[in-house]
Amino acid sequence: DQQVKQNSPSLSVQEGRISILNCDYTNSMFDYFLWYKKYPAEGPTFLISISSIKDKNEDGRFTVFLNKSAKHLSLHIVPSQPGDSAVYFCAAAPTGSARQLTFGSGTQLTVLP
Amino acid sequence: DSGVTQTPKHLITATGQRVTLRCSPRSGDLSVYWYQQSLDQGLQFLIQYYNGEERAKGNILERFSAQQFPDLHSELNLSSLELGDSALYFCASSVAVANTGELFFGEGSRLTVL
Repeated sequence: DQQVKQNSPSLSVQEGRISILNCDYTNSMFDYFLWYKKYPAEGPTFLISISSIKDKNEDGRFTVFLNKSAKHLSLHIVPSQPGDSAVYFCAAAPTGSARQLTFGSGTQLTVLP
Repeated sequence: DSGVTQTPKHLITATGQRVTLRCSPRSGDLSVYWYQQSLDQGLQFLIQYYNGEERAKGNILERFSAQQFPDLHSELNLSSLELGDSALYFCASSVAVANTGELFFGEGSRLTVL
């Protein structure tokens, strides 16, 4: 049972345009959500997070939106750059879970120059 | 560089064998987490240690075990290996236990079971 789903295995975007990565979850107990980025031969690195008390969190070119009623979150990257090409993992955790994150299967983003 | 060190980076072994993966957390981090990433899958949480004690268990098989030593490094032992155990094994660390937040991941140990 996949509690965190990233239904798009891959996404290609032109440099300078917006990249939108989507993530759906099923567990109502999740209240903290994170995005990690992973380059080949490296471990995942934290990108941005959002608590369920918010519906938007912004950090530079990266914005995460949370729609609790739809159990859906998305990551927007504007403008997209070739260096953003990586696998993006969505992750979620319930309250007090001590960071036992449940990860999605990832979306490979390719930003074309 | 996340500050989390994992060894070995690559390991090839045969079915039925036993291997040990090692992880050194970031300086100052007390929590260590182990995750498994199989082909085209997300990272599956295996187990967490905090300051030497087991804190939480995820989808860890009985053939797998882990421990965290007094110097805070951790080892993941995988025994009676099967073909399906081939995966990337990530170690991550964090400072505290209770509050959510980012984990710092190592580069992973790629295990191939032939």
